[in-house]
Amino acid sequence: GDSVTQMEGPVTLSEEAFLTINCTYTATGYPSLFWYVQYPGEGLQLLLKATKADDKGSNKGFEATYRKETTSFHLEKGSVQVSDSAVYFCALTPRGGADGLTFGKGTHLIIQP
Amino acid sequence: DAGVIQSPRHEVTEMGQEVTLRCKPISGHNSLFWYRQTMMRGLELLIYFNNNVPIDDSGMPEDRFSAKMPNASFSTLKIQPSEPRDSAVYFCASSGQSYMNTEAFFGQGTRLTVV
Repeated sequence: GDSVTQMEGPVTLSEEAFLTINCTYTATGYPSLFWYVQYPGEGLQLLLKATKADDKGSNKGFEATYRKETTSFHLEKGSVQVSDSAVYFCALTPRGGADGLTFGKGTHLIIQP
Repeated sequence: DAGVIQSPRHEVTEMGQEVTLRCKPISGHNSLFWYRQTMMRGLELLIYFNNNVPIDDSGMPEDRFSAKMPNASFSTLKIQPSEPRDSAVYFCASSGQSYMNTEAFFGQGTRLTVV
């Protein structure tokens, strides 16, 4: 079945550092890819998405590019802030399917001032 | 819109008791999903509905778990009898398309503790 693998962390960075969180996936066909963020005590919020190969999703300074050849969707940000501290989930859903989101295990990001 | 609303936010119950979790999806959304989150297993899809009809319940861990969606604005997840290993955060999410190829909106979750 479909699966998502991401680095689990915790990842600890200093403020203004460059961030990369790796995500790779296994899926049949051409899934849509997502990054969700979960702040403490809250539900998940969509951060960005890409629905086809070479698409770049971006939001709040975060970016991720859909790489079909490497089956990857790595999350990047050029300069992180303390407020970015959260858990980040990579996820996919099959294109045209109704199977719901398959999530990675989440990466806990800690930004220190 | 108030978003996806789940109740209760916290539930503590004794082993063997029945637990009912509730969800109100965003108005107009026709897909609803129940997820469970634990440290060990991460986020797991338990069941989802399209247009109030259960489509896939293969993620429901065992017969003690059941879910219903009697109308477009309400869903329940029931555990009977509850066990300590059911302790987790349960999330409900809704989406505006029949095929979840777009954004899913999550509720704030119900933290269940079974003692």
